[in-house]
Amino acid sequence: AQSVTQLDSHVSVSEGTPVLLRCNYSSSYSPSLFWYVQHPNKGLQLLLKYTSAATLVKGINGFEAEFKKSETSFHLTKPSAHMSDAAEYFCVVSDLGGGADGLTFGKGTHLIIQP
Amino acid sequence: NAGVTQTPKFQVLKTGQSMTLQCAQDMNHEYMSWYRQDPGMGLRLIHYSVGAGITDQGEVPNGYNVSRSTTEDFPLRLLSAAPSQTSVYFCASSYSRGNTGELFFGEGSRLTVL
Repeated sequence: AQSVTQLDSHVSVSEGTPVLLRCNYSSSYSPSLFWYVQHPNKGLQLLLKYTSAATLVKGINGFEAEFKKSETSFHLTKPSAHMSDAAEYFCVVSDLGGGADGLTFGKGTHLIIQP
Repeated sequence: NAGVTQTPKFQVLKTGQSMTLQCAQDMNHEYMSWYRQDPGMGLRLIHYSVGAGITDQGEVPNGYNVSRSTTEDFPLRLLSAAPSQTSVYFCASSYSRGNTGELFFGEGSRLTVL
């Protein structure tokens, strides 16, 4: 069975400083991994995805994530936070051993940007 | 592009009432799904469909029905609403199931059951 753990329920950073949102996963197969962002009162939007190509994945809005198989991690980073980055972020793992649709969602990390 | 459209955006029901949440997508996606989002719980899969005429249960299907008569539409029916069904519901679609398919989400339907 697969699982995904977002290590922080809330992260607060100052505008202009780096962002790190942590995600660990477990999977019996070769997983695909995703990060989604949800702005207030909106649906989820794909930020980036890893599907067994390059381990460093670049996404929209300056975000990137690195797939580290040895550490079973897929942490999301951004060099410089912007006020518009304030949102909920979800790490998602997908493989053959997942839920009914093959996907398992993390419980989310709420990113707060301090002015 | 409309993408995934959900209606209504907000609904208040009394216990025991029934209702249907509508979901339509215009991307010709075969795969569609319904999730509920509750605080601290992430997203939980209710039902999903891999194509017209095919539906299956997800993680939390009790109290909900779905049908998929066309590729475009995937309505979610609450048979007899209960306070435990107070939640935000999201419809999503994808060109393929699971592994490599990006999910496209609607903006959500916020349901309160009194």
